[in-house]
Amino acid sequence: AQSVTQLGSHVSVSEGALVLLRCNYSSSVPPYLFWYVQYPNQGLQLLLKYTSAATLVKGINGFEAEFKKSETSFHLTKPSAHMSDAAEYFCAVSDRDNQGGKLIFGQGTELSVKP
Amino acid sequence: EPEVTQTPSHQVTQMGQEVILRCVPISNHLYFYWYRQILGQKVEFLVSFYNNEISEKSEIFDDQFSVERPDGSNFTLKIRSTKLEDSAMYFCASRPDRGNSPLHFGNGTRLTVT
Repeated sequence: AQSVTQLGSHVSVSEGALVLLRCNYSSSVPPYLFWYVQYPNQGLQLLLKYTSAATLVKGINGFEAEFKKSETSFHLTKPSAHMSDAAEYFCAVSDRDNQGGKLIFGQGTELSVKP
Repeated sequence: EPEVTQTPSHQVTQMGQEVILRCVPISNHLYFYWYRQILGQKVEFLVSFYNNEISEKSEIFDDQFSVERPDGSNFTLKIRSTKLEDSAMYFCASRPDRGNSPLHFGNGTRLTVT
C-alpha cells in the first residue's frame, strides 16, 4: 500500500530564508508525486507534480522538488521565503495505474514565515 | 481561470439528518472526486466518479454515502444519516482526463454534525 510521511507538522522560517519541506513516500511501483498548497479558507492548489520526466520539478511561486528514488523522497524547496508563502503544504502520491486520480496525502506541514 | 465551486461553505446539521453537499466541477472535466479532511487529520480519498458511475471508493464510503451527477453540471455527495464523526471538511475535485492531468479542488464545505 502506498503512504506518504511529511516530517514536521509545523515549519517556521524567516523571510528570505530557504524553505525545505520534507516528504517521504512508500510505494511498490513507481509513483506519481504531487505537492499541493492550501491557503486559509481555500481549496488545495497544485504546486507541482512528478510524473517520470525530469527528476527536478519546477512549480509555481518559485517552488521546486526533486524526486530521489534511492531515498524515496520528494522534498519541496524554495530558495527565499516570502510572507505570502505562509500556508499548509501537502505531499501526495498516486500509483501509475490510477494515473493521479486517487491521491494518498501526507498529514500536511504548516509553513510560517517570520518578518 | 475556471474553478471548482462548492456550496455551502459551511453546513451545520443534527445527528441523524440527511445532508447534501454540492459541487460544480469545471465544465469540460470528465472525472470527479470527493475527499474529506477531519480536523487535524490527513486529507482522505472518498470516491471517484466517471461516466455516471463510481469508479473507485474507499472503505470510508459506506452505504450511508452516495454520489450523483443529477443534471450534467452538479456533482453531489449525500450522507443519509449523519454521525458526529462525519464532521469534516469535504473537498470536491475534478480533472479533464485520466492521464497525468492534476486534480482541481474546490474550496471545500465544512460539515459540522451536532
